[in-house]
Amino acid sequence: DAKTTQPPSMDCAEGRAANLPCNHSTISGNEYVYWYRQIHSQGPQYIIHGLKNNETNEMASLIITEDRKSSTLILPHATLRDTAVYYCIVEMYSGGGADGLTFGKGTHLIIQP
Amino acid sequence: GAVVSQHPSWVICKSGTSVKIECRSLDFQATTMFWYRQFPKQSLMLMATSNEGSKATYEQGVEKDKFLINHASLTLSTLTVTSAHPEDSSFYICSVGTSGRDTQYFGPGTRLTVL
Repeated sequence: DAKTTQPPSMDCAEGRAANLPCNHSTISGNEYVYWYRQIHSQGPQYIIHGLKNNETNEMASLIITEDRKSSTLILPHATLRDTAVYYCIVEMYSGGGADGLTFGKGTHLIIQP
Repeated sequence: GAVVSQHPSWVICKSGTSVKIECRSLDFQATTMFWYRQFPKQSLMLMATSNEGSKATYEQGVEKDKFLINHASLTLSTLTVTSAHPEDSSFYICSVGTSGRDTQYFGPGTRLTVL
């Protein structure tokens, strides 16, 4: 699996958009970009994933650059409950369930009141 | 998404004893379950892949005789930490997945403290 690089921590004001970057310069053509988050002392939570098109769901938006070497997760209106460690993971699509995930260190997003 | 439960949510045991952790998929049949371990201030590390009806596949460096995994049904996988020692104290998390789904769903985790 390709490696990812994320900033170790970020702050964002409550109510503002939180933009979390991820570099994955060695991503291959059949690898997807997945985002999960882990709130303190809980199991990770799936957020969103994409291949090359931008994606949006009820939680977030995912913007993938045209060359697919980087992506940005956008939480449009951050709340205090969005404080968590956010993990960007690239994974070959196998239905998602067939392989374990390789977690990096992630970005600790802190939402400030 | 899928609902995954773990039991117990936390456990404290004495060194040398064995502890069993259950992972249940509540609303769909999971052919594959995964077990992760997370030490304080570190990321999740995959320990093993558990396939229903067959032997688990362990990641390099994980002792299969110490961490016994049983996946006897499509809704239940168990992890038994045998002869636990203080260095086994960690947060153990399971996830479920099945081919054709596009993501994994994680349990809430089990905090193990070995005294």
